[in-house]
Amino acid sequence: DAGVIQSPRHEVTEMGQEVTLRCKPISGHNSLFWYRQTMMRGLELLIYFNNNVPIDDSGMPEDRFSAKMPNASFSTLKIQPSEPRDSAVYFCASSLDRGSGYTFGSGTRLTVV
Amino acid sequence: DAKTTQPPSMDCAEGRAANLPCNHSTISGNEYVYWYRQIHSQGPQYIIHGLKNNETNEMASLIITEDRKSSTLILPHATLRDTAVYYCIGLRNTGNQFYFGTGTSLTVIP
Repeated sequence: DAGVIQSPRHEVTEMGQEVTLRCKPISGHNSLFWYRQTMMRGLELLIYFNNNVPIDDSGMPEDRFSAKMPNASFSTLKIQPSEPRDSAVYFCASSLDRGSGYTFGSGTRLTVV
Repeated sequence: DAKTTQPPSMDCAEGRAANLPCNHSTISGNEYVYWYRQIHSQGPQYIIHGLKNNETNEMASLIITEDRKSSTLILPHATLRDTAVYYCIGLRNTGNQFYFGTGTSLTVIP
């Protein structure tokens, strides 16, 4: 089991550019979560999918952020346009239903300059 | 979900037991207590969870008080690799969304 796979590991982009972060959950897991981590705000839940359907996106900071899960093995988090304050580590996690514990990916460190 | 309170930091000597406390006085009867840890620059890692009985696995033990208002995570023989931020989280058995607080930064000292 390769675990939750995120790409890229590091991304540096200029303000105003579009950024796409990718996540492959563990096979068989039916819940997927995107988190953002900064020193100031800690770990924040952005959005949660269950069976590929977005269930709760109340943590998405603004319309510049969007997330999709076209199938059970792939999800994207897109920021368009990106801003310096979006700089953070973005984590993807997956789980089986009902609180069986999450498995997190290694994260994508995003720097917007 | 219950609000949890943890000390911001703790030290532990290598080889000794690390006892990390968590207060969750508002926890309801159907809420589980989960523990995760995050080693620097890595994603959080699941450790253990429990409802009301004490639990043990290969990583740690979880002791939940009888009134369920607090719990303690025990790392029986702490190593330098256990240095991390440890998060205690309450989660309803109908929920599936973890909200992480600020956790306890544990430093294992050689």
